[in-house]
Amino acid sequence: DQQVKQNSPSLSVQEGRISILNCDYTNSMFDYFLWYKKYPAEGPTFLISISSIKDKNEDGRFTVFLNKSAKHLSLHIVPSQPGDSAVYFCAASEGSGTYKYIFGTGTRLKVLA
Amino acid sequence: DSGVTQTPKHLITATGQRVTLRCSPRSGDLSVYWYQQSLDQGLQFLIQYYNGEERAKGNILERFSAQQFPDLHSELNLSSLELGDSALYFCASSGTGTGLSPLHFGNGTRLTVT
Repeated sequence: DQQVKQNSPSLSVQEGRISILNCDYTNSMFDYFLWYKKYPAEGPTFLISISSIKDKNEDGRFTVFLNKSAKHLSLHIVPSQPGDSAVYFCAASEGSGTYKYIFGTGTRLKVLA
Repeated sequence: DSGVTQTPKHLITATGQRVTLRCSPRSGDLSVYWYQQSLDQGLQFLIQYYNGEERAKGNILERFSAQQFPDLHSELNLSSLELGDSALYFCASSGTGTGLSPLHFGNGTRLTVT
């Protein structure tokens, strides 16, 4: 049972445009959400997070939106840069519940120069 | 650099063998998580330790075991290895282990079982 889903395996965007990566979840007990970026031969790098008490969190070019009623979150990257080309994972946890972080299968973003 | 150190980087071994993967968490982090990433798959949660004690278990096979030592480093032991165990194994650490702070990952150990 995949509790965190990233339905788009890949995405291509022109440099300077907006990249939107999507993530859906099924467990209503999730209350903390994270986005990670992964380059080949490296471990995932933490990008940005959001708790369920917020619907938006911004950090520089990265903004995460959370829609709890739709059980959906998205990561916006504006403007996209070639260095953003990587695999992006969303993850969710139940906070003080089971302590597990459940990851999606990732979306490969390619930013075209 | 995340501050999480994993050794070795690469491991090649034969079916039926046993290996040990090592992880040193970031300085000050009490919680260690182990994840498995098979080819083009997501990160599958295996197990979590907090300050030496097992806290949460995921899809970890009975042939796999882990522990966290008093100095907080952790080891993942994989035995009776099968071809399907070939994967990237990541260790991550966090300060609180409460599920409300980011995980910081090492660069992984790539295990190849032949």
